[in-house]
Amino acid sequence: GDSVTQMEGPVTLSEEAFLTINCTYTATGYPSLFWYVQYPGEGLQLLLKATKADDKGSNKGFEATYRKETTSFHLEKGSVQVSDSAVYFCALFDSGSARQLTFGSGTQLTVLP
Amino acid sequence: DGGITQSPKYLFRKEGQNVTLSCEQNLNHDAMYWYRQDPGQGLRLIYYSQIVNDFQKGDIAEGYSVSREKKESFPLTVTSAQKNPTAFYLCASSISTESNQPQHFGDGTRLSIL
Repeated sequence: GDSVTQMEGPVTLSEEAFLTINCTYTATGYPSLFWYVQYPGEGLQLLLKATKADDKGSNKGFEATYRKETTSFHLEKGSVQVSDSAVYFCALFDSGSARQLTFGSGTQLTVLP
Repeated sequence: DGGITQSPKYLFRKEGQNVTLSCEQNLNHDAMYWYRQDPGQGLRLIYYSQIVNDFQKGDIAEGYSVSREKKESFPLTVTSAQKNPTAFYLCASSISTESNQPQHFGDGTRLSIL
């Protein structure tokens, strides 16, 4: 079945540091990949997505590239801010499976001033 | 503004009691979902609905029930059969379950046992 494996947290960085959160996946078909962000006490918000190999999703300074050869979708940001502190979830949608999103376990990011 | 509204934000349940969590969307989406989130874990799918008057079990449906009588509404009942109901519950919707368009989430309901 489908699965998503995320880098274990928590991750603590200083403001303006470089961020990488690793995400790898297994899927039976050709999935679409997503990163969601969850701020404390809130639901999930879509951060970015990529629907096919070599696509790069980007939003608010965050980027992730769909790498089919390594089955990865790592999230990166060149310079994090305190306001980026949140939980980040990698997810995949595989139209060949049960038509539902499969989520990773989430990575808590804390950015210190 | 279009979006998903979950209520209440906090809910307390006594042992042996059923409680119902509300989820309403005005995005005109066909598909709706309920997830459970436990601390430090990802989201697990409880139920989903592709269209009005239809719903399917997800990975952890035992102890839960849903209805989909209107396109806009997908309430979740946590029954007394759910032995460990304390969690954060998230409702989501999407254009359809066939689409790779993203799901939109509500702000969640936190359920606790008294």
